[in-house]
Amino acid sequence: GQQVMQIPQYQHVQEGEDFTTYCNSSTTLSNIQWYKQRPGGHPVFLIQLVKSGEVKKQKRLTFQFGEAKKNSSLHITATQTTDVGTYFCAGNFGNEKLTFGTGTRLTIIP
Amino acid sequence: DSGVTQTPKHLITATGQRVTLRCSPRSGDLSVYWYQQSLDQGLQFLIQYYNGEERAKGNILERFSAQQFPDLHSELNLSSLELGDSALYFCASSVGGAGNTIYFGEGSWLTVV
Repeated sequence: GQQVMQIPQYQHVQEGEDFTTYCNSSTTLSNIQWYKQRPGGHPVFLIQLVKSGEVKKQKRLTFQFGEAKKNSSLHITATQTTDVGTYFCAGNFGNEKLTFGTGTRLTIIP
Repeated sequence: DSGVTQTPKHLITATGQRVTLRCSPRSGDLSVYWYQQSLDQGLQFLIQYYNGEERAKGNILERFSAQQFPDLHSELNLSSLELGDSALYFCASSVGGAGNTIYFGEGSWLTVV
């Protein structure tokens, strides 16, 4: 079936360290979206990537879409306590269904 | 505030009962999605409606049903509830289909006892 795998499931980092989460699909994606869910909150849209090899930046966050449009990554530079939460990728396989990855829960050690 | 409104925010009910969760999408959004999130679990897609019609179906149990009304609000009906149905149910909306940004409501916490 059409699944999006996301690793790692959990990540604990010292404040100021970098963080990366990865998403992989067995089939080509039309586009991929990233969401952040703060503890006790709801998922909030961060960004959408559409083009092969696309790279987008939002301040300390860098999003990449693989050349084959089967994988994506989110990299946070110099993490801060406000980065705490679960980061989800969500892949669109060209149908109406947005398939979410399992999420990476980021905790920051002050 | 995403503009998506869900009620109730919290609900406690007994096994075997039936509940209805309600969602009002953002103004102008035609698509409504329902997701289930269990404790420490990811987001499981249940179903999507677009302008009143079912557009996509995910892992939705036969005991669950949904609909989108002419005013575009949606309801998720959960029947013959089991303990395992306890979860956070999110409604989300978008202007069009899944290629658009999806805006989530704050969710409805369902606890089945």
